[in-house]
Parts: sequence; C-alpha cells; structure tokens
Amino acid sequence: DGGITQSPKYLFRKEGQNVTLSCEQNLNHDAMYWYRQDPGQGLRLIYYSQIVNDFQKGDIAEGYSVSREKKESFPLTVTSAQKNPTAFYLCASNPEAGELFFGEGSRLTVL
Amino acid sequence: AQSVAQPEDQVNVAEGNPLTVKCTYSVSGNPYLFWYVQYPNRGLQFLLKYITGDNLVKGSYGFEAEFNKSQTSFHLKKPSALVSDSALYFCAVRDRAGANNLFFGTGTRLTVIP
Repeated sequence: DGGITQSPKYLFRKEGQNVTLSCEQNLNHDAMYWYRQDPGQGLRLIYYSQIVNDFQKGDIAEGYSVSREKKESFPLTVTSAQKNPTAFYLCASNPEAGELFFGEGSRLTVL
Repeated sequence: AQSVAQPEDQVNVAEGNPLTVKCTYSVSGNPYLFWYVQYPNRGLQFLLKYITGDNLVKGSYGFEAEFNKSQTSFHLKKPSALVSDSALYFCAVRDRAGANNLFFGTGTRLTVIP
C-alpha cells in the first residue's frame, strides 16, 4: 500500500544527544514536510522540501536539520541545540497543490 | 500572511445531534481550505477540501463543510454525531499564490457524548 512511514514511533533521548527521525514515502510525491505538534499549538512547520536536493526552513527550524538525497526519504535530525525537543513529530508529503498525506508520527521524549 | 483560527478549543455534542466545528481564515488571495482529523497518537487524516466550485463540500465519514467567502469561514459540519467522531480536528489553508505547504489552526477537540 502507498503511504508514509515514520520511524521510530517512540524515541527517548538524553539531553545533549542528536537523534534522527526517519520518513519514507512511496507515493511518488515531490514535496515533503516536517511538522512539530505540541498540545494547544497545532502544527508548526519545521522544514520542507519541494524537490530532491533542495529544502527550506519553516517557522521553527532552529535546532533541526534535514536532508533530501532521495525523493522517497526526508530524515529529520533533532540536534542538541534544540532547547525543548520533547514533542510529537509529523512527516507529510503531497502532490503539487494537493492535500497533505501524513505519517503516523514519532513521539520524542527527552529524559 | 496566511492564518487560520479555530475559536473553540473544545466542542461537546450529544450523540445523534448535529455538530459544527468552526474555522475562519485569512489569506491574501483565493484560498485552498482543508479539514483533517487526528486520533490519539496518530497522524492526521484528510477529511475534505475546498478548491473551487460549490460552497458546500462533502467529505469522508459523512462530514461536510461550507465555504463562506464573505465571512472568510469554512465550518465543518455533520448532521448526526457518532461517539467515534470524538477526535481532534484541524482546519488548514493555503494561499493559491503561495507555497505548497499548509497553515494549520490550533485544533478543536470534539467530544461526542453517548
């Protein structure tokens, strides 16, 4: 079945550690996105990529990094510079001007 | 700048009664409008969208939404609520002249009471 796969679903990190969240899609979409969800704040855009080897910062990019070496993959690294990384992270993709398709999310907890 | 407002954090409705979840938007051009639903610890699921055409849009699971340009609103409705409709609902907007990504509201938690 076509869709977006995020892994891991749950992740625990010690302060000062970098972690990488995986996002893979087999929908053949050019555009991919990373959102952060916190209670009561809705979804906030971290990074997005419209095409392979290109990506742009969203509204809250500080402390995060991404790469887009393949069309299918858009991993997100949460670096130690992110001051409050505990959150639910959602990856999405869409065809041009279409609705977003979301993965099931990754919940990161900093211990 | 684009923005979306969902004025109610929480909506409670009795099973079988009609439900409305409110959304207003602000864009510089003509909008693309979307509704999504999220169940606990899950990703967002697409319900419906307005691009052009009829102001009343029908979507998944019996939901519909009415686009009102003069009031810049896109309220989500369902004639008869089910307990299984209890979830978090997000409205989103894209300016047609803008980038590909969506701007989301803060969400409305719908609780359907048996």
